[in-house]
Amino acid sequence: GIQVEQSPPDLILQEGANSTLRCNFSDSVNNLQWFHQNPWGQLINLFYIPSGTKQNGRLSATTVATERYSLLYISSSQTTDSGVYFCAGNSNSGYALNFGKGTSLLVTP
Amino acid sequence: NAGVTQTPKFRILKIGQSMTLQCTQDMNHNYMYWYRQDPGMGLKLIYYSVGAGITDKGEVPNGYNVSRSTTEDFPLRLELAAPSQTSVYFCASSYSSGTGQETQYFGPGTRLLVL
Repeated sequence: GIQVEQSPPDLILQEGANSTLRCNFSDSVNNLQWFHQNPWGQLINLFYIPSGTKQNGRLSATTVATERYSLLYISSSQTTDSGVYFCAGNSNSGYALNFGKGTSLLVTP
Repeated sequence: NAGVTQTPKFRILKIGQSMTLQCTQDMNHNYMYWYRQDPGMGLKLIYYSVGAGITDKGEVPNGYNVSRSTTEDFPLRLELAAPSQTSVYFCASSYSSGTGQETQYFGPGTRLLVL
C-alpha cells in the first residue's frame, strides 16, 4: 500500500497561534482525507481533498497531487483543537485508506 | 440520519472467547470497511466489502471474519480472541460510483480488551 508520512509528529501551541501540518505520500492517491481524532477517540472528517484547496472556518487544506503532498492549516488555534490529526489516502487500485501515524497537537491556554 | 453506528462501545474478553462487533450505516453506501487502531498508530484495514454478498481481506485479516448480507450491516466476528487483538475497532462506509471513492465516514469505535 501507499506509505504516508506526517510531520511534525508532535506539536505544542499556545492558544491563538497558527500551525501547518504536512502529509507526504509515496505514490499517487485518488482519495485524500484529513481527520481529527479528539481526546475521546472519535474520528472526525475534516476534509476530502484529493487536489486543490478547501477552507472550513479556521481550518484549510491544500493538496498538490502532482507532488504527492497535502497541508493542513490551523489558524487562531483553540484548546478544543487538541488531539491527533491524521491524513489518509488510497491508490487508484486500492480500497483501503492508508493512514499516517498522525500529528499529536496540544493547544495550551 | 445516524451515519455509522457501532456496538458495543467497550468490551472485555477472555482469551479464547469469541464475539461479534456490530456496524450499521444508514447512508445507503455500497462500500463498508473494518479498521483497527493500535496505540499511537494510524488505522489498518482488516476487511472490506464493496456490496452485499461481497467481502475481501485487507492488510490484517488474521483472526477475523466478516459477512455482508445487507447494504446496511457489516458485522466483524472475532474467533478465539487473543491479547494481540486488544485494539480500537472502527467501522467505516463510503459511496463509490465506479469513477472513484468518495469520503469515508467512520463510526465511534469499539474498544476491545482481551485478557
